[in-house]
Amino acid sequence: GQNIDQPTEMTATEGAIVQINCTYQTSGFNGLFWYQQHAGEAPTFLSYNVLDGLEEKGRFSSFLSRSKGYSYLLLKELQMKDSASYLCAVNDDYKLSFGAGTTVTVRA
Amino acid sequence: IAGITQAPTSQILAAGRRMTLRCTQDMRHNAMYWYRQDLGLGLRLIHYSNTAGTTGKGEVPDGYSVSRANTDDFPLTLASAVPSQTSVYFCASSRTSGSYNEQFFGPGTRLTVL
Repeated sequence: GQNIDQPTEMTATEGAIVQINCTYQTSGFNGLFWYQQHAGEAPTFLSYNVLDGLEEKGRFSSFLSRSKGYSYLLLKELQMKDSASYLCAVNDDYKLSFGAGTTVTVRA
Repeated sequence: IAGITQAPTSQILAAGRRMTLRCTQDMRHNAMYWYRQDLGLGLRLIHYSNTAGTTGKGEVPDGYSVSRANTDDFPLTLASAVPSQTSVYFCASSRTSGSYNEQFFGPGTRLTVL
């Protein structure tokens, strides 16, 4: 089966940096996605990693270590609009398995 | 506007009733998916379709059925609704079902079964 773990909640201050960790144990691996979901809305794509290393996209970066079954999403220069849930998802057998999500609250 | 739409937005349903949730995409994506999202459990895959004419079971398929008669539409049917099917349902699509299958999500249907 699939096991994808991420913290339930995190709180940070506006302008700060937050790192959301995701560990996974899946029967297969064809890449890892991060999605952002604001309350009451649909998830939207943030990043994709299939090779080890860091992918940077503006204020957001995502890291992957396949040997450790580990990824993190780094949010820099936090803004109030970054308050949302962040979902880690593993492409296993060409279907996505999602973690339960991490709710990030940004405080002024 | 290109994208993926779902109907209805929300629905209250009596237990035992039949219900079909509609999903339509105009991006000509090959693959489509249905998820349910419950507090603390995240998104769980119900059924998927890699291409028109084919469907497959996801993690939680019991009590649900799907069809994929054409590329654009992927309806989800609850044959006889039960209270445990109260959830938010998201339809999604991706261009392919391969490694890079970035999924685009519809706005969701909030379903309450009483």
